[in-house]
Amino acid sequence: DADVTQTPRNRITKTGKRIMLECSQTKGHDRMYWYRQDPGLGLRLIYYSFDVKDINKGEISDGYSVSRQAQAKFSLSLESAIPNQTALYFCATSDNARQGPYNEQFFGPGTRLTVL
Amino acid sequence: ILNVEQSPQSLHVQEGDSTNFTCSFPSSNFYALHWYRWETAKSPEALFVMTLNGDEKKKGRISATLNTKEGYSYLYIKGSQPEDSATYLCAPLGGTSYGKLTFGQGTILTVHP
Repeated sequence: DADVTQTPRNRITKTGKRIMLECSQTKGHDRMYWYRQDPGLGLRLIYYSFDVKDINKGEISDGYSVSRQAQAKFSLSLESAIPNQTALYFCATSDNARQGPYNEQFFGPGTRLTVL
Repeated sequence: ILNVEQSPQSLHVQEGDSTNFTCSFPSSNFYALHWYRWETAKSPEALFVMTLNGDEKKKGRISATLNTKEGYSYLYIKGSQPEDSATYLCAPLGGTSYGKLTFGQGTILTVHP
């Protein structure tokens, strides 16, 4: 079984709809991240959480919200989806052990979201 | 947000060629540099995490060097194979980034048989 899972894997929705993307991990990591990927732009950070009570905005958080329901679960919501939120969304995790920010991130399989 | 540049944006090579590409980042307040490989239809996977100036890491035919004083890292692939075709992403971490990576736009490598 994959260590980091995302649901759904693909989603087509309409402008104005609320949608939630879910991420679960079995790696026991405290840190979790949501990124979006657009062609030619690399991965951009939407939100990140260093533990259940610590949630922070990334560089492109407008139009998104998150919920850290447990150490293993981190959900991303689009309250009112718009077409320019069409993208590939990745969840990632990392350990916060003594190496701290040196620790590599582990990515989920991605969710391809299309907003019509 | 750190200014990260990767060059070239894309690269086509023949099987057996050796190749290299560059990641440039601000040299001030450097903390660490991550390299990831992202194959089509898969998830990005970490190749290296580098922290020390002059550091060199190697994994099979892939190696990377780091110059923190001038703010760049090179990734080398020796004897490229078709399975090396992927997007290679670098992500520096600055001292005030609080653990947040800033990814470059990536170098897309295509190795032709």
